Amino acid sequence: NAGVTQTPKFQVLKTGQSMTLQCAQDMNHEYMSWYRQDPGMGLRLIHYSVGAGITDQGEVPNGYNVSRSTTEDFPLRLLSAAPSQTSVYFCASSLSGEVGVNGYTFGSGTRLTVV
Amino acid sequence: LAKTTQPISMDSYEGQEVNITCSHNNIATNDYITWYQQFPSQGPRFIIQGYKTKVTNEVASLFIPADRKSSTLSLPRVSLSDTAVYYCLVGGNTGGFKTIFGAGTRLFVKA
Repeated sequence: NAGVTQTPKFQVLKTGQSMTLQCAQDMNHEYMSWYRQDPGMGLRLIHYSVGAGITDQGEVPNGYNVSRSTTEDFPLRLLSAAPSQTSVYFCASSLSGEVGVNGYTFGSGTRLTVV
Repeated sequence: LAKTTQPISMDSYEGQEVNITCSHNNIATNDYITWYQQFPSQGPRFIIQGYKTKVTNEVASLFIPADRKSSTLSLPRVSLSDTAVYYCLVGGNTGGFKTIFGAGTRLFVKA
């Protein structure tokens, strides 16, 4: 049971480039989400999904796109990378998403640097 | 989700009991209290959840007073490996999917 798998683990982009961060889970979780974590800070929610075909914005959605075509995968796309998007990105999943019901399982993160 | 307030950082020594308190004055009737632990360079991991009174598992205990406006995570006999950031979350089971983690409490355990 792999849990939540994120790829790549590290990435360096040039300003203006685009890329997709991959997130896959094998636990049949309906809920998936993306967070970013800047140095010394907590996690900020970018986008989330409560099931295939359903996505919604979190606290800091600008500059990012998501889609959820399958239950297993929830990719995060950076449309035109900016230095302000340098961060560590975490993907999380849970059975239903309500924080009061199920624990969230997090991936190991993608460390992104935009130069 | 109810807003939570935690200390920014705490120091402790190996073998001591550590108590981290979280304030959540506007907790709702159907809200649960959940704590996560995050080690450096890793994603957070769920450690304990409760609704009222006391909950204990192999990792920690969670104390919740009758008014539920605060909660205390208790880590018994900490070791160096307990150095981490601890997040307190409050939320219910009826929607509310925008889970906000906040800055958490940085615990430093010294030898």
